[in-house]
Amino acid sequence: QVQLQESGPGLVEPSETLSLTCTVSGGSISGSYWSWIRQPPGKGLEWIGYIYSSGSTKYTNYNPSLKSRVTISVDPSKNQLSLGLSSVTAADTAVYYCARATPHSKFYLDSWGQGTLVSVSS
Amino acid sequence: DIQMTQSPSSVSASIGDTVTITCQASQDISSWLAWYQHKKGKAPQLLIYAASSSQSGAPSRFSGSGSGTEFTLTITSLQPEDFATYYCQQANSFPLTFGGGTKVEIK
Repeated sequence: QVQLQESGPGLVEPSETLSLTCTVSGGSISGSYWSWIRQPPGKGLEWIGYIYSSGSTKYTNYNPSLKSRVTISVDPSKNQLSLGLSSVTAADTAVYYCARATPHSKFYLDSWGQGTLVSVSS
Repeated sequence: DIQMTQSPSSVSASIGDTVTITCQASQDISSWLAWYQHKKGKAPQLLIYAASSSQSGAPSRFSGSGSGTEFTLTITSLQPEDFATYYCQQANSFPLTFGGGTKVEIK
């Protein structure tokens, strides 16, 4: 059974870049769709974007509301995916989750990490 | 973006009760809908996909129905481990969007 674990700094200063890593175990990162989702305190879930990677094929899809600031990448050699979010503000404070899409549809998320809280503050 | 509206935002129920949660989409999404269970500090769990298909490992007391813009998650014979927050998510198009959540609490 695949397991996902998010990691990264718990505190980021305003205007800086938030960088998180999701380590995947129990399965290969290649050949699946991987998403990042976040949940600000007291608010709902917001999908950030996905990446698909298989061999030399890689493509991404980002939420238009964040597209100008988001980068999602994968490192198959480490079985990890990464999230970068630039020019952060307090509004980016949230629990960030990585998740895998089901084999039959990239729209359903069948495995999630436990999430990591990132606070944006000076 | 497709807006997803859940109701109620919270519900108090007792062990053994049946709980019904509704989700409304801002446009027709056919049966492209998922339901998730989320317990604080834990990874969200996919319960239902394609509006009514049970995810492997999900207890049979969870069922989903609906199509178009109106959907329902029903929990029959509520168990202690079911107290959690439930989210719907449209799977019709990107960006994926979620409902605001329904917290199921112990009465």
